[in-house]
Formats: sequence, structure tokens, C-alpha cells
Amino acid sequence: QVQLQESGPGLVKPSGTLSLTCAVSGGSISTSNWWSWVRQTPGKGLEWIGEIYHSGNTNYNPSLKSRVTVSVDKSKNQFSLRLSSVTAADTAVYYCTRDGLGFNKDRGVYYNGMDVWGQGTTVTVSS
Amino acid sequence: EIVLTQSPATLSLSPGERATLSCRASQSVTTFLAWYQQKPGQAPRLLISDASNRTTGIPARFSGSGSGTDFTLTISSLEPEDFAVYYCQHRTNWPITFGQGTRLEIK
Repeated sequence: QVQLQESGPGLVKPSGTLSLTCAVSGGSISTSNWWSWVRQTPGKGLEWIGEIYHSGNTNYNPSLKSRVTVSVDKSKNQFSLRLSSVTAADTAVYYCTRDGLGFNKDRGVYYNGMDVWGQGTTVTVSS
Repeated sequence: EIVLTQSPATLSLSPGERATLSCRASQSVTTFLAWYQQKPGQAPRLLISDASNRTTGIPARFSGSGSGTDFTLTISSLEPEDFAVYYCQHRTNWPITFGQGTRLEIK
């Protein structure tokens, strides 16, 4: 059973860079899934940040694209998030998730949902 | 960006009652829609994928329906552990977006 675990600093200074890692256990990151970052704030609810495939292909939320980098390290079976030039508005609980699509002859392409989530890590932006 | 609008914002019901939660998309998402349950201090949990496919281990009282722009999550008979916040989410194009949530509270 695949499990995800976020790690990284819980406090980041304004204008600094937020860096988080998501360790994948119980399975390989090199599967037909997208590995995503989602954050949650009381004000904006759940917000998708971006995702990466094991090949290195990425997709980002346009609202954050200029500041976000998601990368993968297959040798360590983990993926990472970097968010630069942070402000108090980036204070949130950050989750990593597994997402993806499936295919079979009867259903065609179907959506699997974000079926695995990390426990979440709280990041506060403050001096 | 596809906007998902959930209604109602808050639903007050009693255990044993039927709950009907709505999610409307600003444009078609075909069936690339999922439903999640979130309890305080926990990560969201996937209930329904592809609009109507119940995730393994999710009780049969949970069901999803719809396609295109209108979707429904139904809980046939509420159990005490079902009182939580529910979100819909699409994966039709980028950015992936979530609805603002429906809080299901005990009446």
C-alpha cells in the first residue's frame, strides 16, 4: 500500500523559498501516476499547486507558475516542491498526493482521483 | 479555469437522514470528477472517482452521479462518522480545481 510523507521546514521567512519533499513508500514513483502538491488555507480552501510525472513532465497552476518548481528524484523515490518569494499568503497546510488516469477497453479513459494523500505539513511564512 | 460550485455551503441533517450534495462545473468536465471527505485535522479522503466509481473500502451508502456539468454525492442514510466537509474536484484540464466545500453538520 503506497504511503506519502511530507517533510520540510515549518517556518519560512517572507521573500524566502519554501522547500518540501514527499517520500513515497510501499511502491515505486515510476508508475502511471501524477504526483501532486495541494495546499489548504482557511480562506482559499484546497488549491492545486502542480504535479510531476516520473518522466519529469510537469504541470503548474498558472496562479503560482512563476514561483513554483516540482521535481522528482527516482533514485530516492521522492518528489519535491519549491515555492519562491513567499509571503504570508503562502501560509498553509501542504499535502502531497498521488493522482492519475486509468484505461480499459470497456470504460476507455477514466479518472482515478487523488487516491493517496500525505498527512500534510503546516508551513508558516513569518519573520 | 473551470470553477466548481458546491451547494449548499452547509447542510444540517440528523443521523439516518439522506444527504444530497451538489457540485456544478462552469464547463463540462465529462466524468473526470472526484469527491473527497475531510475531517478536522485530517487529509482529504477519496470517496468517489470518475463521477460515480466508489473507492475500495468506502461504504455503499455513498454514491456519486452525474456527467458534464452537474454532479451529485448522495449519502443514503447518515452515520455519525459522516459529518464532515465534502469537496468535489475535477481533472479535465489545467489547472485542476476544487469546489469550496459543503459542511455536513449534525442537526
